[in-house]
Amino acid sequence: AQSVSQHNHHVILSEAASLELGCNYSYGGTVNLFWYVQYPGQHLQLLLKYFSGDPLVKGIKGFEAEFIKSKFSFNLRKPSVQWSDTAEYFCAVRTGRRALTFGSGTRLQVQP
Amino acid sequence: NAGVTQTPKFRVLKTGQSMTLLCAQDMNHEYMYWYRQDPGMGLRLIHYSVGEGTTAKGEVPDGYNVSRLKKQNFLLGLESAAPSQTSVYFCASSYPNGVGNEQYFGPGTRLTVT
Repeated sequence: AQSVSQHNHHVILSEAASLELGCNYSYGGTVNLFWYVQYPGQHLQLLLKYFSGDPLVKGIKGFEAEFIKSKFSFNLRKPSVQWSDTAEYFCAVRTGRRALTFGSGTRLQVQP
Repeated sequence: NAGVTQTPKFRVLKTGQSMTLLCAQDMNHEYMYWYRQDPGMGLRLIHYSVGEGTTAKGEVPDGYNVSRLKKQNFLLGLESAAPSQTSVYFCASSYPNGVGNEQYFGPGTRLTVT
């Protein structure tokens, strides 16, 4: 069965700092990759997704992620975070007909 | 469009009580899912459905049952609640697994079992 690892459980940054959140998955076949964000008290929203083509994917709110197949990674990046980016971020993988497999999440705290 | 809605938003149960969580979507999605979210564990799939009248087990199905009698609704039942089922429950829906189809999530139901 596939699994998703998010190595950073809690990240604290100051505003304007750069962000990179790691995501690695274990599955050797074709995958769809997603990053979801959950703002405090809200439901999950899609930030970006990768299914084929350009491995550098741009999402909403200035986020981007790069799919590196050889490393089984799909890291999330943002060059300059804002206080409003404080949220929990989830990486997810889908293979075949199965539903999403989520990582354990990374809680990002941005200090003003 | 309301998207994906869930009722109730909060519930407190005593051990052994039963309840049903309702998920409704108005996007004509074929697929629907129930997840539970626990601290440090992300979201885990409980059950899912690929169409009206069909359901399948996910990663953590024990203690739950589901039904999909109508395309727009997906019910999650707890027949005899246990403290281990204290969690936040999220419903999601999507079109059939095509290229990159995303799941849309509801606002969640916070369930406490005492």
